[in-house]
Amino acid sequence: AQTVTQSQPEMSVQEAETVTLSCTYDTSESDYYLFWYKQPPSRQMILVIRQEAYKQQNATENRFSVNFQKAAKSFSLKISDSQLGDAAMYFCACICSNDYKLSFGAGTTVTVRA
Amino acid sequence: GAGVSQTPSNKVTEKGKYVELRCDPISGHTALYWYRQSLGQGPEFLIYFQGTGAADDSGLPNDRFFAVRPEGSVSTLKIQRTERGDSAVYLCASSYLPGGPGNEQFFGPGTRLTVL
Repeated sequence: AQTVTQSQPEMSVQEAETVTLSCTYDTSESDYYLFWYKQPPSRQMILVIRQEAYKQQNATENRFSVNFQKAAKSFSLKISDSQLGDAAMYFCACICSNDYKLSFGAGTTVTVRA
Repeated sequence: GAGVSQTPSNKVTEKGKYVELRCDPISGHTALYWYRQSLGQGPEFLIYFQGTGAADDSGLPNDRFFAVRPEGSVSTLKIQRTERGDSAVYLCASSYLPGGPGNEQFFGPGTRLTVL
């Protein structure tokens, strides 16, 4: 069964505009961890933002913020003031079990139009 | 400081051959992970080490795959009798384990394996 689902294979955004990437996940645990990773063509996976499930406050990192809806098991990423360097594949991931394994979604390709 | 490094960057081999993929984690990181990323998909977990021992190898697809970390630092992923379906990018990550499962996993640039 798919633990993490990203329903948007591709998203396009105009430079300086905002784009929101969707992610849903499945877990029966009460405590878990959610992540957004960025993977540019260089293949290097870079952590963008993370959220602990026990924290109600949405995480923010500069232009990146999340909308964490625990009851709906939803974890969307908002990229504000999009820049050309934001173009990449974005993966939603979860440590959803009582272990250390990351479960990844299929990814969303973000293109930024100049 | 230096990040996670992986060698080789690219590996092309023939069906049936044996390959070894190397991962050098960040110094001081006690946890090491291997993931496999097929084209157009997200990475999938293969194996996780705490120190020298494999704490969880449930993601290894079959007994052709094996990984070691003899001194608790460098790890080698070994694939015997390679098949065309093994073609993928193999990613290694490390983390500072005492921080718990929510600690950031730092990824290397991966090894792209192509089996002809």
